[in-house]
Amino acid sequence: NAGVTQTPKFQVLKTGQSMTLQCAQDMNHNSMYWYRQDPGMGLRLIYYSASEGTTDKGEVPNGYNVSRLNKREFSLRLESAAPSQTSVYFCASSVGYRAYGYTFGSGTRLTVV
Amino acid sequence: KNEVEQSPQNLTAQEGEFITINCSYSVGISALHWLQQHPGGGIVSLFMLSSGKKKHGRLIATINIQEKHSSLHITASHPRDSAVYICAITSNFGNEKLTFGTGTRLTIIP
Repeated sequence: NAGVTQTPKFQVLKTGQSMTLQCAQDMNHNSMYWYRQDPGMGLRLIYYSASEGTTDKGEVPNGYNVSRLNKREFSLRLESAAPSQTSVYFCASSVGYRAYGYTFGSGTRLTVV
Repeated sequence: KNEVEQSPQNLTAQEGEFITINCSYSVGISALHWLQQHPGGGIVSLFMLSSGKKKHGRLIATINIQEKHSSLHITASHPRDSAVYICAITSNFGNEKLTFGTGTRLTIIP
């Protein structure tokens, strides 16, 4: 099925460990995004990529890095995980023009202990 | 103050009731989105609006650009409509980034 695929779905890390969240879309979308969702708060943008080869910081980029590997794939890396990064992470993509909607991945539930 | 405010935060209703969820925003927008998040966590895009009204099945979304307000209506509500409904906007400058409301948790009791 066409859509946005995120892996893993669940992850537990120890403080200081690193990991990469993977995201791939097969809809030929130009723009890709990483959001985090915390209780009582709306989803917040971590990083986005408006097109292949470009990445920009969002609202809460500290502690994260991203790579737009190609048009399909956009990964999010936590270099040294902290308990404050415990959250649910969503990848999303859009065509990149204002008339079109978004497609979301199914989310990654990350716990940092 | 958040750019996107939703009300109510929680809503419980009996099956069959007409449901209204409200969204107000404070900046110029290019589009407003209504999203649905089920308990399993996945997020599904329901509507994207830049003016007027859209209808899909029992769901209706309206927007008033002058008043910076949108509503999501559910007619003949059903327990399977129980979910968190999220309003989000894309501003009318910059790129396609979404700014989200905190969501409305809807519970429909049989």
